[in-house]
Amino acid sequence: KAGVTQTPRYLIKTRGQQVTLSCSPISGHRSVSWYQQTPGQGLQFLFEYFSETQRNKGNFPGRFSGRQFSNSRSEMNVSTLELGDSALYLCASSLGGGVTDTQYFGPGTRLTVL
Amino acid sequence: QQQVKQSPQSLIVQKGGIPIINCAYENTAFDYFPWYQQFPGKGPALLIAIRPDVSEKKEGRFTISFNKSAKQFSLHIMDSQPGDSATYFCAACQGAQKLVFGQGTRLTINP
Repeated sequence: KAGVTQTPRYLIKTRGQQVTLSCSPISGHRSVSWYQQTPGQGLQFLFEYFSETQRNKGNFPGRFSGRQFSNSRSEMNVSTLELGDSALYLCASSLGGGVTDTQYFGPGTRLTVL
Repeated sequence: QQQVKQSPQSLIVQKGGIPIINCAYENTAFDYFPWYQQFPGKGPALLIAIRPDVSEKKEGRFTISFNKSAKQFSLHIMDSQPGDSATYFCAACQGAQKLVFGQGTRLTINP
């Protein structure tokens, strides 16, 4: 089975712009979670989608949003980019989203905001 | 309450040694504790995980020890190898897919 894929792998944007990141989960996985990884804050949970519904949300401002499509693919959008949004954005998928379901991470999208 | 505190931040061990990474949590509602391994340029990968009703779990050279009363858990790597050099994250989860991660430990195994 192919792993979790994320596109694009690298992005450079300027402050004030918006960006959309894409995640394709492992085939058959219905839960997709997004995390932000920075050297200062580490790995922080953004949100989780299951069957096109947001089930969990982390403590990020409303500029961060996401959605999930019927084929379980997910997108994450960040509007009005700030310098502090520069980070590695990781997507993880799991089968049913149960607490012990293993989350499989993609390689991430490296976002740089100038 | 949602934090997971991980130590040390970095660790250097000789090949064959037993690195130990420690984590502590406050939220007693956490019910699943996975450890992830991350290599440069890659996403984290699940290494081993434990539920709080178990005090120890071994998978190959990796062992989790869990102390529910102290709200602490640790990762031991037996017979460590240079290929184990990576960043290790402990995490905790409560009832769903929302993982709360520790700050990470950069482990270096010298040959």
